[in-house]
Amino acid sequence: GAGVSQSPSNKVTEKGKDVELRCDPISGHTALYWYRQSLGQGLEFLIYFQGNSAPDKSGLPSDRFSAERTGGSVSTLTIQRTQQEDSAVYLCASSLEHGASYEQYFGPGTRLTVT
Amino acid sequence: GDSVTQMEGPVTLSEEAFLTINCTYTATGYPSLFWYVQYPGEGLQLLLKATKADDKGSNKGFEATYRKETTSFHLEKGSVQVSDSAVYFCALGSGTYKYIFGTGTRLKVLA
Repeated sequence: GAGVSQSPSNKVTEKGKDVELRCDPISGHTALYWYRQSLGQGLEFLIYFQGNSAPDKSGLPSDRFSAERTGGSVSTLTIQRTQQEDSAVYLCASSLEHGASYEQYFGPGTRLTVT
Repeated sequence: GDSVTQMEGPVTLSEEAFLTINCTYTATGYPSLFWYVQYPGEGLQLLLKATKADDKGSNKGFEATYRKETTSFHLEKGSVQVSDSAVYFCALGSGTYKYIFGTGTRLKVLA
């Protein structure tokens, strides 16, 4: 079946521009997660959704970052006024249920480069 | 706070060699432990997991045992293949939802 998909796969943007990253989770998965993977770093948790709500937004690096999820499915991560330090691979994952023991299925990521 | 530490890479081995990638963790409570693998050009995928102490996760010839006494979850494989070349991530599932990942260990297997 279809896995987690993300778009675009690559995005190059100028400093100060806004960008939107999209994630389509596996159908029926109630939980959705966003991570950031910077060069040489592990995965940094950003935010998770249970249904359409995000109980914990504490991982978002700054108020320039926001995310939403609609219809319990597609999620969008928006970065406003991008900075060079935002350059990274942004990964989305979904799991059948919410909980740390459930396997997370990852998308291929969006590579963001801010020039 | 909770954390995961895994050995730095890259690790370079010859085909059929024995592999160990060390992973230790710090956590309150009783986390679940995972190994994820990222093959070149692909997304992360779950390799194996263990949800309680002394559990052994295994898949594709890889094994890892949840050792609470040493807070470790080392990944092992008896005979690696070129196709095992990838980046391996140790992770713990903390609390009700949060995954904490290590920085990844790149494995290169030479024919």
